[in-house]
Amino acid sequence: QKEVEQNSGPLSVPEGAIASLNCTYSDRGSQSFFWYRQYSGKSPELIMSIYSNGDKEDGRFTAQLNKASQYVSLLIRDSQPSDSATYLCAVNGGATNKLIFGTGTLLAVQP
Amino acid sequence: EAQVTQNPRYLITVTGKKLTVTCSQNMNHEYMSWYRQDPGLGLRQIYYSMNVEVTDKGDVPEGYKVSRKEKRNFPLILESPSPNQTSLYFCASSLTEDYEQYFGPGTRLTVT
Repeated sequence: QKEVEQNSGPLSVPEGAIASLNCTYSDRGSQSFFWYRQYSGKSPELIMSIYSNGDKEDGRFTAQLNKASQYVSLLIRDSQPSDSATYLCAVNGGATNKLIFGTGTLLAVQP
Repeated sequence: EAQVTQNPRYLITVTGKKLTVTCSQNMNHEYMSWYRQDPGLGLRQIYYSMNVEVTDKGDVPEGYKVSRKEKRNFPLILESPSPNQTSLYFCASSLTEDYEQYFGPGTRLTVT
């Protein structure tokens, strides 16, 4: 089982819709959870960090964490074509001092 | 401006020719890390450093060396590069290992 799993996509949504991105992780002791956005050939850019169960909202983005289910999600409201990118889920803490990345979900927002 | 810088941004070299990729951060972060990114494999950690003079192996350390003599700098050294080290490399830093990491712009390395 991979340590951090994401559906590779592509996830295609129409402009203005809600995009829902999901991530599961295997280390039950993980403490820190992050979502990054990466445009092709560019470096990952931090979008959200979440440390406790529940929802965290920042503008059009909402991160949701459920530690019991070992599940993290990212909702993007009012999706724009400029949101088209690969979204990386990253998990830290637990048994290691390493940030473990999923392989990313490619999001395509159709105008 | 708070940032992580890497140099060079692009590098084409030949097998066996030693090279160094520099990484510097101006945020006084304790934790620094190197990743490589390959299609289908995602981001994989090469080495990380918890603080000055404290480094440890990540998931794919073979063929790489690092040092952390100053808090702001964390160079990546390829003593004898091989074609399988052709990749996109990112340096990142964070306050500590538990916090969000900020990435440099990347170095695209080609070894022929």
